[in-house]
Amino acid sequence: GQSLEQPSEVTAVEGAIVQINCTYQTSGFYGLSWYQQHDGGAPTFLSYNALDGLEETGRFSSFLSRSDSYGYLLLQELQMKDSASYFCAVRDQDFNKFYFGSGTKLNVKP
Amino acid sequence: DGGITQSPKYLFRKEGQNVTLSCEQNLNHDAMYWYRQDPGQGLRLIYYSQIVNDFQKGDIAEGYSVSREKKESFPLTVTSAQKNPTAFYLCASTTRTGGAWNTEAFFGQGTRLTVV
Repeated sequence: GQSLEQPSEVTAVEGAIVQINCTYQTSGFYGLSWYQQHDGGAPTFLSYNALDGLEETGRFSSFLSRSDSYGYLLLQELQMKDSASYFCAVRDQDFNKFYFGSGTKLNVKP
Repeated sequence: DGGITQSPKYLFRKEGQNVTLSCEQNLNHDAMYWYRQDPGQGLRLIYYSQIVNDFQKGDIAEGYSVSREKKESFPLTVTSAQKNPTAFYLCASTTRTGGAWNTEAFFGQGTRLTVV
């Protein structure tokens, strides 16, 4: 089976940097993805790491360590609009199912 | 514009009734999924389909049914057997590129179902 753990809530101030961690246990690993979801909205894809290391996309970066079964999403220069829930996800290659963590609610304060 | 359309946005059901949630995509995606989200929770997989006329149960399929008669449509029926159906339901899709499944899933805007 698949298991992903994230902190439930994180609070940071505008302009700061915040890191959201994700640890996973999977039977067959094919990369770690991150999604953003605003309240009542649809999750939207942010990033994907197949290999160890850091992937940067503008203010957002994502890191993966396969040996540690660990990844994180790094958000820089926080803006109020970044207040949302963030989910890490893995995919079961054999059956093409996506599994999501329980999500981290990010509160950005002025 | 291509995307996934879920309807209705809000749905109210009386206890004992079956209801059907619509999901239509014009992305020409092969695979479609239904997820359930409860307040403050992650997404749990109900059913998924990789090809027309074929679908598989996810982790919480009891009390739900689906069909995949057309590539673009994947309706979900919440039956009276589902004991706690009040939740936010999300439909998603993905496709293959060069034979390999893509890593990105596209989501609809969701249907909020409330049992009254």
